[in-house]
Amino acid sequence: KAGVTQTPRYLIKTRGQQVTLSCSPISGHRSVSWYQQTPGQGLQFLFEYFSETQRNKGNFPGRFSGRQFSNSRSEMNVSTLELGDSALYLCASSLGDVRNEQFFGPGTRLTVL
Amino acid sequence: TQLLEQSPQFLSIQEGENLTVYCNSSSVFSSLQWYRQEPGEGPVLLVTVVTGGEVKKLKRLTFQFGDARKDSSLHITAAQPGDTGLYLCAGIPADRGSTLGRLYFGRGTQLTVWP
Repeated sequence: KAGVTQTPRYLIKTRGQQVTLSCSPISGHRSVSWYQQTPGQGLQFLFEYFSETQRNKGNFPGRFSGRQFSNSRSEMNVSTLELGDSALYLCASSLGDVRNEQFFGPGTRLTVL
Repeated sequence: TQLLEQSPQFLSIQEGENLTVYCNSSSVFSSLQWYRQEPGEGPVLLVTVVTGGEVKKLKRLTFQFGDARKDSSLHITAAQPGDTGLYLCAGIPADRGSTLGRLYFGRGTQLTVWP
Protein backbone atom coordinates (compact mmCIF):
# COMPACT_ATOMS: atom_id res chain seq x y z
CA LYS A 1 0.00 0.00 0.00
CA ALA A 2 1.50 3.32 -1.04
CA GLY A 3 2.05 5.87 1.72
CA VAL A 4 1.09 9.51 1.88
CA THR A 5 2.85 11.61 -0.71
CA GLN A 6 3.40 15.35 -0.63
CA THR A 7 4.62 17.62 -3.36
CA PRO A 8 6.78 19.52 -3.63
CA ARG A 9 9.25 18.46 -0.94
CA TYR A 10 11.02 21.81 -0.87
CA LEU A 11 9.89 25.27 -1.83
CA ILE A 12 11.43 28.72 -1.67
CA LYS A 13 9.20 31.75 -2.04
CA THR A 14 9.42 35.47 -1.32
CA ARG A 15 7.19 37.55 0.90
CA GLY A 16 3.87 38.42 -0.66
CA GLN A 17 3.77 35.43 -2.98
CA GLN A 18 1.31 32.59 -2.67
CA VAL A 19 1.93 28.86 -2.59
CA THR A 20 -0.05 25.66 -3.14
CA LEU A 21 0.96 22.38 -1.54
CA SER A 22 -0.41 19.01 -2.54
CA CYS A 23 -1.12 15.82 -0.60
CA SER A 24 -2.18 12.39 -1.83
CA PRO A 25 -3.53 10.22 1.00
CA ILE A 26 -3.36 6.49 1.45
CA SER A 27 -5.91 4.72 -0.74
CA GLY A 28 -9.18 4.33 1.15
CA HIS A 29 -8.48 7.13 3.61
CA ARG A 30 -11.11 9.85 3.49
CA SER A 31 -9.66 12.23 6.06
CA VAL A 32 -6.74 14.53 5.40
CA SER A 33 -5.26 16.82 8.05
CA TRP A 34 -2.68 19.56 7.60
CA TYR A 35 -0.16 20.72 10.19
CA GLN A 36 2.49 23.40 10.40
CA GLN A 37 5.63 22.42 12.29
CA THR A 38 8.21 24.89 13.53
CA PRO A 39 10.95 24.47 16.16
CA GLY A 40 9.36 27.03 18.46
CA GLN A 41 5.69 26.06 18.21
CA GLY A 42 5.78 22.35 17.54
CA LEU A 43 3.02 20.74 15.49
CA GLN A 44 0.17 23.20 14.92
CA PHE A 45 -3.14 21.99 13.48
CA LEU A 46 -4.30 23.86 10.38
CA PHE A 47 -7.42 22.02 9.23
CA GLU A 48 -8.94 18.64 8.48
CA TYR A 49 -11.00 17.59 5.49
CA PHE A 50 -13.31 14.61 5.32
CA SER A 51 -15.16 13.65 2.15
CA GLU A 52 -14.46 17.03 0.55
CA THR A 53 -15.76 19.01 3.56
CA GLN A 54 -13.70 20.96 6.05
CA ARG A 55 -14.59 19.28 9.32
CA ASN A 56 -12.13 20.99 11.68
CA LYS A 57 -10.14 24.20 11.61
CA GLY A 58 -7.27 25.43 13.74
CA ASN A 59 -6.41 28.99 14.74
CA PHE A 60 -4.70 30.23 11.62
CA PRO A 61 -5.51 33.37 9.65
CA GLY A 62 -7.64 33.25 6.53
CA ARG A 63 -4.50 33.37 4.38
CA PHE A 64 -4.34 29.63 4.99
CA SER A 65 -6.94 27.67 3.07
CA GLY A 66 -7.42 24.19 1.76
CA ARG A 67 -9.64 21.90 -0.18
CA GLN A 68 -10.19 18.23 -0.81
CA PHE A 69 -11.12 16.60 -4.07
CA SER A 70 -13.45 13.69 -4.74
CA ASN A 71 -10.48 11.29 -4.89
CA SER A 72 -9.48 12.48 -1.36
CA ARG A 73 -6.40 14.30 -2.61
CA SER A 74 -5.98 17.60 -0.83
CA GLU A 75 -4.31 20.92 -1.42
CA MET A 76 -3.52 23.75 0.90
CA ASN A 77 -2.88 27.31 -0.16
CA VAL A 78 -1.11 30.12 1.62
CA SER A 79 -1.56 33.59 0.19
CA THR A 80 0.46 36.73 0.85
CA LEU A 81 3.35 34.81 2.37
CA GLU A 82 5.09 36.17 5.45
CA LEU A 83 8.53 35.31 6.80
CA GLY A 84 6.88 33.56 9.72
CA ASP A 85 5.23 31.09 7.37
CA SER A 86 8.57 29.34 6.90
CA ALA A 87 7.97 25.87 8.28
CA LEU A 88 7.55 22.19 7.56
CA TYR A 89 4.01 21.57 6.35
CA LEU A 90 2.81 18.06 7.07
CA CYS A 91 -0.16 16.26 5.67
CA ALA A 92 -1.66 13.21 7.37
CA SER A 93 -4.34 10.84 6.19
CA SER A 94 -6.60 8.61 8.24
CA LEU A 95 -9.80 6.66 8.04
CA GLY A 96 -11.43 9.53 9.92
CA ASP A 97 -12.90 7.18 12.51
CA VAL A 98 -12.96 7.56 16.30
CA ARG A 99 -9.37 6.35 16.71
CA ASN A 100 -8.13 8.74 14.02
CA GLU A 101 -4.73 7.08 13.65
CA GLN A 102 -2.81 9.33 11.32
CA PHE A 103 -0.28 8.47 8.65
CA PHE A 104 1.98 11.33 7.75
CA GLY A 105 3.67 12.29 4.55
CA PRO A 106 7.31 13.46 4.50
CA GLY A 107 6.27 17.11 4.51
CA THR A 108 6.95 20.15 2.38
CA ARG A 109 9.73 22.42 3.64
CA LEU A 110 8.67 25.99 2.83
CA THR A 111 11.18 28.81 3.11
CA VAL A 112 9.96 32.38 2.75
CA LEU A 113 12.63 34.97 1.97
CA THR B 1 -1.94 26.45 26.57
CA GLN B 2 -1.27 22.93 25.34
CA LEU B 3 -3.91 20.31 26.01
CA LEU B 4 -1.15 17.71 26.30
CA GLU B 5 2.05 18.52 28.18
CA GLN B 6 5.10 16.41 27.49
CA SER B 7 8.16 16.10 29.68
CA PRO B 8 11.00 16.30 29.51
CA GLN B 9 11.33 18.53 26.48
CA PHE B 10 14.87 17.29 25.78
CA LEU B 11 16.60 14.09 26.82
CA SER B 12 20.20 13.17 26.07
CA ILE B 13 21.42 9.77 27.24
CA GLN B 14 24.04 7.10 26.59
CA GLU B 15 23.34 3.88 24.76
CA GLY B 16 22.09 1.20 27.13
CA GLU B 17 20.32 3.53 29.56
CA ASN B 18 16.62 3.39 30.34
CA LEU B 19 14.30 6.37 30.06
CA THR B 20 10.70 7.43 30.53
CA VAL B 21 8.82 10.16 28.70
CA TYR B 22 5.58 11.57 30.07
CA CYS B 23 2.44 12.96 28.49
CA ASN B 24 0.00 14.64 30.88
CA SER B 25 -3.29 16.49 30.70
CA SER B 26 -6.07 17.72 32.93
CA SER B 27 -8.55 16.38 30.36
CA VAL B 28 -9.80 12.85 29.84
CA PHE B 29 -8.93 11.29 26.50
CA SER B 30 -10.79 8.69 24.47
CA SER B 31 -7.46 7.43 23.23
CA LEU B 32 -3.83 8.44 23.12
CA GLN B 33 -1.28 7.82 20.43
CA TRP B 34 2.50 7.97 20.34
CA TYR B 35 4.48 8.97 17.28
CA ARG B 36 8.19 9.15 16.52
CA GLN B 37 9.58 11.66 14.08
CA GLU B 38 13.05 11.59 12.58
CA PRO B 39 14.71 14.63 10.98
CA GLY B 40 13.31 15.50 7.57
CA GLU B 41 10.44 13.04 7.86
CA GLY B 42 6.85 13.01 9.03
CA PRO B 43 5.85 11.43 12.36
CA VAL B 44 5.29 7.68 12.37
CA LEU B 45 2.58 6.11 14.52
CA LEU B 46 4.01 3.76 17.17
CA VAL B 47 0.98 2.78 19.21
CA THR B 48 -2.59 3.66 20.21
CA VAL B 49 -3.90 3.08 23.74
CA VAL B 50 -7.62 3.27 24.42
CA THR B 51 -8.37 1.65 27.79
CA GLY B 52 -7.45 3.16 31.16
CA GLY B 53 -4.55 1.24 32.69
CA GLU B 54 -3.67 -0.36 29.35
CA VAL B 55 -0.05 -1.36 28.80
CA LYS B 56 1.35 -2.09 25.35
CA LYS B 57 4.82 -3.28 24.45
CA LEU B 58 6.67 -2.77 21.21
CA LYS B 59 10.05 -4.53 21.53
CA ARG B 60 12.00 -2.35 24.00
CA LEU B 61 9.25 0.30 24.18
CA THR B 62 6.50 0.10 26.81
CA PHE B 63 3.49 2.39 26.62
CA GLN B 64 1.04 2.93 29.45
CA PHE B 65 -2.29 4.74 29.57
CA GLY B 66 -3.21 6.15 32.96
CA ASP B 67 -6.15 4.67 34.86
CA ALA B 68 -8.07 7.95 34.57
CA ARG B 69 -7.13 8.30 30.88
CA LYS B 70 -5.52 11.69 31.49
CA ASP B 71 -1.90 10.70 31.05
CA SER B 72 0.42 8.30 29.34
CA SER B 73 4.05 7.28 29.52
CA LEU B 74 6.60 5.79 27.19
CA HIS B 75 9.44 3.77 28.68
CA ILE B 76 12.42 2.68 26.63
CA THR B 77 14.69 -0.06 27.94
CA ALA B 78 18.34 -0.19 26.93
CA ALA B 79 18.11 2.74 24.53
CA GLN B 80 19.97 2.55 21.24
CA PRO B 81 21.14 5.32 18.86
CA GLY B 82 18.38 4.23 16.49
CA ASP B 83 15.83 5.39 19.09
CA THR B 84 16.92 8.99 18.54
CA GLY B 85 14.06 11.18 17.43
CA LEU B 86 11.18 13.42 18.44
CA TYR B 87 8.53 11.54 20.41
CA LEU B 88 5.05 13.03 20.19
CA CYS B 89 1.91 12.09 22.07
CA ALA B 90 -1.48 12.91 20.61
CA GLY B 91 -5.04 12.25 21.57
CA ILE B 92 -8.73 12.78 21.15
CA PRO B 93 -10.36 14.47 24.18
CA ALA B 94 -13.37 12.56 25.42
CA ASP B 95 -15.50 15.70 25.71
CA ARG B 96 -14.90 16.99 22.17
CA GLY B 97 -17.04 14.71 20.08
CA SER B 98 -17.89 17.64 17.84
CA THR B 99 -14.29 17.80 16.70
CA LEU B 100 -14.14 14.20 15.50
CA GLY B 101 -11.20 13.97 13.16
CA ARG B 102 -8.95 16.36 15.05
CA LEU B 103 -5.96 15.05 16.99
CA TYR B 104 -4.37 17.20 19.68
CA PHE B 105 -0.57 16.93 19.85
CA GLY B 106 1.91 17.58 22.63
CA ARG B 107 5.05 19.56 21.81
CA GLY B 108 7.20 16.48 21.93
CA THR B 109 10.30 15.11 23.64
CA GLN B 110 13.52 15.28 21.66
CA LEU B 111 15.53 12.17 22.52
CA THR B 112 19.20 11.78 21.63
CA VAL B 113 20.94 8.50 22.34
CA TRP B 114 24.72 8.62 22.11
CA PRO B 115 26.76 5.54 21.19
